[in-house]
Amino acid sequence: SQQGEEDPQALSIQEGENATMNCSYKTSINNLQWYRQNSGRGLVHLILIRSNEREKHSGRLRVTLDTSKKSSSLLITASRAADTASYFCATEGGSWGKLQFGAGTQVVVTP
Amino acid sequence: DVKVTQSSRYLVKRTGEKVFLECVQDMDHENMFWYRQDPGLGLRLIYFSYDVKMKEKGDIPEGYSVSREKKERFSLILESASTNQTSMYLCASSLRGSTADTQYFGPGTRLTVL
Repeated sequence: SQQGEEDPQALSIQEGENATMNCSYKTSINNLQWYRQNSGRGLVHLILIRSNEREKHSGRLRVTLDTSKKSSSLLITASRAADTASYFCATEGGSWGKLQFGAGTQVVVTP
Repeated sequence: DVKVTQSSRYLVKRTGEKVFLECVQDMDHENMFWYRQDPGLGLRLIYFSYDVKMKEKGDIPEGYSVSREKKERFSLILESASTNQTSMYLCASSLRGSTADTQYFGPGTRLTVL
């Protein structure tokens, strides 16, 4: 079953602009993670935010988490063409490190 | 760096064939996972394993089986491939022991069943 749902499904921006995508989930979580997938490749972990954290930064990435609304957002600042990829949120709420992934947001950054 | 490798990037098989997808990780991770990825559906968990010879069903185990005889290797088996199993298959591994397990993914195997 799919836990996270990303919004929007697709995003097209120009280099230098900020890209924001949102993730909503349904049940309580231990943490929420964001992954990136370049076309036809495996996923790469970007950032993890725990349920007791509200905001986290990593380079040009900023993630927020609102557990009362069961939602998270990922902001990529000053986007580059190399940021073109699909971005997935994944929630961990149970045992064994299992993650539930959303359907992803496809981001295209044009020069 | 953690490295997760998958035996093939692209695979074409015929309906009814038995298909083996192999995944190897080199970081002594306890947990290993098999997902399939289809457009608009994201990643769906097929099976996972938290130790050698241990396996648990994920969300869509029907038509699949797995094998984990060694800690570093996790195999996905399609006993009798069908066209609806045409998909991208992704393997991942993670270190157990905390509630913040980051998963490391292989490059994926794009399987086409004709």
